[in-house]
Amino acid sequence: GAVVSQHPSWVICKSGTSVKIECRSLDFQATTMFWYRQFPKQSLMLMATSNEGSKATYEQGVEKDKFLINHASLTLSTLTVTSAHPEDSSFYICSLVTGEQGNQPQHFGDGTRLSIL
Amino acid sequence: GQNIDQPTEMTATEGAIVQINCTYQTSGFNGLFWYQQHAGEAPTFLSYNVLDGLEEKGRFSSFLSRSKGYSYLLLKELQMKDSASYLCAPKDSNYQLIWGAGTKLIIKP
Repeated sequence: GAVVSQHPSWVICKSGTSVKIECRSLDFQATTMFWYRQFPKQSLMLMATSNEGSKATYEQGVEKDKFLINHASLTLSTLTVTSAHPEDSSFYICSLVTGEQGNQPQHFGDGTRLSIL
Repeated sequence: GQNIDQPTEMTATEGAIVQINCTYQTSGFNGLFWYQQHAGEAPTFLSYNVLDGLEEKGRFSSFLSRSKGYSYLLLKELQMKDSASYLCAPKDSNYQLIWGAGTKLIIKP
């Protein structure tokens, strides 16, 4: 069954709008979640690692003030794209591991397709 | 630097066998994952190798040679639904997955 629930699946909104994406782990506690972005025909790009109860770790080049991550509980991490612009249009995907990171695969949510007009 | 090298695209026939190769260079190594990603969807986990050799899972098998920095994914009895991108993703010394652009596999009847 599904390990991760991501919502919403699609978002279409006007430029300047802030958009919140939720990622929930189902049936277990996830201390760490990952947020990715993927542009068409390109590889997954890790944006940040979300840690429950502490600040997220952002990858180089990712604006932490633009992409706000909150991991307030062991089952929920949110990504807020603030004041979104057309260049932020992309496929955003969260993932998590269910155990020790060494040999456990990342399980992905279904992704959120964000289109900024 | 860290690098993944896979063919951009491959074509195979329904019912046949296809091997998707992957060579990688990472700072340290903590296993290698293969994922399947259908167009417009998130990746789904297929297989994991940490030791040299072949791991078999139904129609899919994955092979690893750590000394050569090489892995392959073998798909047997191809079905039309296998048309997707296949992502080879090794983990580096920080347990971070390194992603390439993947191989787009096209299955023809």
